[in-house]
Amino acid sequence: GIQVEQSPPDLILQEGANSTLRCNFSDSVNNLQWFHQNPWGQLINLFYIPSGTKQNGRLSATTVATERYSLLYISSSQTTDSGVYFCAVTNAGNMLTFGGGTRLMVKP
Amino acid sequence: DAGVIQSPRHEVTEMGQEVTLRCKPISGHNSLFWYRQTMMRGLELLIYFNNNVPIDDSGMPEDRFSAKMPNASFSTLKIQPSEPRDSAVYFCASGDWSSGNTIYFGEGSWLTVV
Repeated sequence: GIQVEQSPPDLILQEGANSTLRCNFSDSVNNLQWFHQNPWGQLINLFYIPSGTKQNGRLSATTVATERYSLLYISSSQTTDSGVYFCAVTNAGNMLTFGGGTRLMVKP
Repeated sequence: DAGVIQSPRHEVTEMGQEVTLRCKPISGHNSLFWYRQTMMRGLELLIYFNNNVPIDDSGMPEDRFSAKMPNASFSTLKIQPSEPRDSAVYFCASGDWSSGNTIYFGEGSWLTVV
């Protein structure tokens, strides 16, 4: 099956800093999503982005499908951004395969 | 919309007991997924339904696990008999693949088997 690798696995930021999270995948995809799992365990949709660029407030994402990667940008990070960020993809079929996540801690 | 609704939110049970987790997907969604999350294995897809029909259950760990979707608004995941290694958070998610939309997760059922 398709492999999804995220980097870095862990990230510590000072409040106000910017960061870039990366997701590499091993095959062509027809769906790519970014999720944020907050400290209470809730999985929140951030972006549906099989290709191109999207922005939502301080977050933006870019997927370069031909090169098999996606990037999630967090600008002016806040403590509420802490949690785990997951990238998930589908290729053949509709099963969403998750990467291992990037655990982010934003310090005040 | 109320989102994906799961119950129970938390359950503690003794080894050997039957556990039933329930899920109500978002109205109008035609796909439903059960995931399990543990520290060791991350998020694993257990089973996926499309239009109430199980499409792929290759992620179901063993015969002790079963899932049903009797109608478009309800699904269950059953573990019988339960074992301590089944302790995990079980997520249900739903989506509308026909329009290529995102999938949405419920808040999860936190299961502890002692």
